[in-house]
Amino acid sequence: AQSVTQLGSHVSVSEGALVLLRCNYSSSVPPYLFWYVQYPNQGLQLLLKYTSAATLVKGINGFEAEFKKSETSFHLTKPSAHMSDAAEYFCAVEGSGGYNKLIFGAGTRLAVHP
Amino acid sequence: SAVISQKPSRDICQRGTSLTIQCQVDSQVTMMFWYRQQPGQSLTLIATANQGSEATYESGFVIDKFPISRPNLTFSTLTVSNMSPEDSSIYLCSVGTGGASYEQYFGPGTRLTVT
Repeated sequence: AQSVTQLGSHVSVSEGALVLLRCNYSSSVPPYLFWYVQYPNQGLQLLLKYTSAATLVKGINGFEAEFKKSETSFHLTKPSAHMSDAAEYFCAVEGSGGYNKLIFGAGTRLAVHP
Repeated sequence: SAVISQKPSRDICQRGTSLTIQCQVDSQVTMMFWYRQQPGQSLTLIATANQGSEATYESGFVIDKFPISRPNLTFSTLTVSNMSPEDSSIYLCSVGTGGASYEQYFGPGTRLTVT
């Protein structure tokens, strides 16, 4: 069965520093992978997705993620953090069975300091 | 993309009562889902809302507790029945756009507090 592990429930960076949020997946088939962001008291917004095309995926707000099959990873990065990036980030994998449901990781809360 | 609205945005309910949450999409979609996000937790899929047939529930969720309707391709409801404080959560509706460029979009959520 598919599953997602996000390493680090809380990550804290300084403004302008590199953001790295880790996600490892388990899947018996080539996965579809997603990163979502949730700002306080809001729904989820799709940041980017991997659907077996290019392994380096660029998303909105300057974020990107690289799919590494050998490491079963899909880490999210941003070269320079902004205060407005403070939010909860969720990695998700499409579940098996062909029904397109998503299985979410536990989430990582990103804090950005001045 | 799809624009999704949910009603109500939040509610405070007494235990033992039921609440029906509505989800409206601005276009016809095949896939609609209902998720629960408990306080400080990640999202857990409750069920897939199937148009014209019974919803498909995930392990740990039953129809008697979370009845779902899907009368057409743009609308669905989730009812939280016989509520207890443990049902206090954010309930989110989502829709999936199929094909090779699969994406799933989420509504703003309904914040439910059960007292």
